[in-house]
Amino acid sequence: GQQVMQIPQYQHVQEGEDFTTYCNSSTTLSNIQWYKQRPGGHPVFLIQLVKSGEVKKQKRLTFQFGEAKKNSSLHITATQTTDVGTYFCAGNNAGGTSYGKLTFGQGTILTVHP
Amino acid sequence: DAGITQSPRHKVTETGTPVTLRCHQTENHRYMYWYRQDPGHGLRLIHYSYGVKDTDKGEVSDGYSVSRSKTEDFLLTLESATSSQTSVYFCAIRTQGGSYEQYFGPGTRLTVT
Repeated sequence: GQQVMQIPQYQHVQEGEDFTTYCNSSTTLSNIQWYKQRPGGHPVFLIQLVKSGEVKKQKRLTFQFGEAKKNSSLHITATQTTDVGTYFCAGNNAGGTSYGKLTFGQGTILTVHP
Repeated sequence: DAGITQSPRHKVTETGTPVTLRCHQTENHRYMYWYRQDPGHGLRLIHYSYGVKDTDKGEVSDGYSVSRSKTEDFLLTLESATSSQTSVYFCAIRTQGGSYEQYFGPGTRLTVT
């Protein structure tokens, strides 16, 4: 079945440093989504990428979808303590009827030291 | 939060006992999902529903069953709980209109002793 690998598993940064997490799928995706989960909370939808090579920005967050639609990245510029949490990518398989099922990566736990 | 509630929020149960978790939504969403979250594994899909009485298995469905007799309620049952089912369980809905983004409930922390 489809697998989505996400690295790194953990990332510790000083406040103000940049952060990047990477996501790779074993199959071509129709779209990829990113979620953030604060400690003790539930995953919250951040963004969806659909097009090959797509780049989207949300303030200090930059999301990219690879040309082959099998990989993605999330980059945070100048991290803040409010960025702390776990970031997940989630892929939706290309083709067929998937009922919107997502395959999640393992997540990257971001710690920001003030 | 898409009007999603989960109950109970916390539960401790003994091995071998049946457990039912409830997910309730108020916005008439067609698609609903149950996930479990464990350290190092992210979120793994247990079962999902695409309508009343329409359900199917996800990647980790062994030991779990579901029912959806009403649009608003999606129940997850552990017929005979095992320690390996200790986890945090999240319910989610999918928005309408062709996008696949999901919105999650607050979660249920289940401990099987």
